Amino acid sequence: GQQLNQSPQSMFIQEGEDVSMNCTSSSIFNTWLWYKQDPGEGPVLLIALYKAGELTSNGRLTAQFGITRKDSFLNISASIPSDVGIYFCAGQEVTVHSSNTGKLIFGQGTTLQVKP
Amino acid sequence: NAGVTQTPKFQVLKTGQSMTLQCAQDMNHEYMSWYRQDPGMGLRLIHYSVGAGITDQGEVPNGYNVSRSTTEDFPLRLLSAAPSQTSVYFCASSYFWGGGFTGTDTQYFGPGTRLTVL
Repeated sequence: GQQLNQSPQSMFIQEGEDVSMNCTSSSIFNTWLWYKQDPGEGPVLLIALYKAGELTSNGRLTAQFGITRKDSFLNISASIPSDVGIYFCAGQEVTVHSSNTGKLIFGQGTTLQVKP
Repeated sequence: NAGVTQTPKFQVLKTGQSMTLQCAQDMNHEYMSWYRQDPGMGLRLIHYSVGAGITDQGEVPNGYNVSRSTTEDFPLRLLSAAPSQTSVYFCASSYFWGGGFTGTDTQYFGPGTRLTVL
């Protein structure tokens, strides 16, 4: 089945540093999503990307939908302690047919720790 | 507007016991789904539903049953719990684009149910 490879698996950085993580897929997606999960909570959507080449920002977060439609990256600038958590990429096919309806395929997650 | 709610928050079962994890949403979303989260594996789709009376299997459906009798509720049943089902379970919901192109809008996740099977 479809797989997403997310890297790095974990990062331990100093407050104020920039962070970059990415996802690659074995197949094409029409939508790329980035979620953040705080401890003991469900994932919360950060950024949604709907078009190849699209670059979208949300405050200090910037994400891009790769031209090949098989990859995406997320950047966090000037990290702060509350950025700590697990970041997940997810891909979704939007298909003409009913197969794969609405299914999200998740990456393994990137655990981010920020040292004050 | 409570969003997506899940009960219980924590549960411990013995092997072979059965139980139902509850999920409800008050956003009138057609699409609901169940995921399990295991360390290093991200979230994996168990079952999903695109509307009342319609369910389908996801990536890891074995050992789980679902039903969707109302738009609001989407319970997940473990018929005979096994230690391999120890995990954190998340329910999610969203609007659903049916018709010619199928897909979903932003999926909102519940807070999760932490299940341990001894």
